[in-house]
Amino acid sequence: EPEVTQTPSHQVTQMGQEVILRCVPISNHLYFYWYRQILGQKVEFLVSFYNNEISEKSEIFDDQFSVERPDGSNFTLKIRSTKLEDSAMYFCASSWGFSGNTIYFGEGSWLTVV
Amino acid sequence: DQQVKQNSPSLSVQEGRISILNCDYTNSMFDYFLWYKKYPAEGPTFLISISSIKDKNEDGRFTVFLNKSAKHLSLHIVPSQPGDSAVYFCAASATASGTYKYIFGTGTRLKVLA
Repeated sequence: EPEVTQTPSHQVTQMGQEVILRCVPISNHLYFYWYRQILGQKVEFLVSFYNNEISEKSEIFDDQFSVERPDGSNFTLKIRSTKLEDSAMYFCASSWGFSGNTIYFGEGSWLTVV
Repeated sequence: DQQVKQNSPSLSVQEGRISILNCDYTNSMFDYFLWYKKYPAEGPTFLISISSIKDKNEDGRFTVFLNKSAKHLSLHIVPSQPGDSAVYFCAASATASGTYKYIFGTGTRLKVLA
């Protein structure tokens, strides 16, 4: 069964450092997303991406965050200057369409900022 | 602004009995709903969906009911199995309004007792 894959599974970084989280969405999907879950809290929407541009972003997704689809298979989330409060599990997801379509999640990348 | 609420943080059920997980929402524009199961340190796994044009959707042991007038949906698991023990999230989206995000509830931790 096709799945969304994410790397790394866990990353520890110093505050102020740049981090890139990578994702390979399901191959025929057209919509891509990043969500995050701070420990013990709910899953929060960060950004959606379609046709090589951001479709929607949340208040969390400020200028420190960016997304890119550098080639036909990868989808990346970059955090330019990490803060302690960026520590969370980051989930990549994808869907074929949006309206009426299920979004499928990867296993997550656990980011710890120290 | 908590648009999707799961008011029961936890639920314990005997193996073989029915598990009922509830979800309430406030945004009348929500028209598509998803249920996910999540184990610790893993990504959410899709279970079942329902569109606002339906009031029930069934898939094996899982049935989702939607009461639009009450802005309430519930997930029924029958019969419950120990492997169902996980955190369950409902998610909602107003797809017809042009949004590309799902809003997640806070989750309900289900424990199925053998």
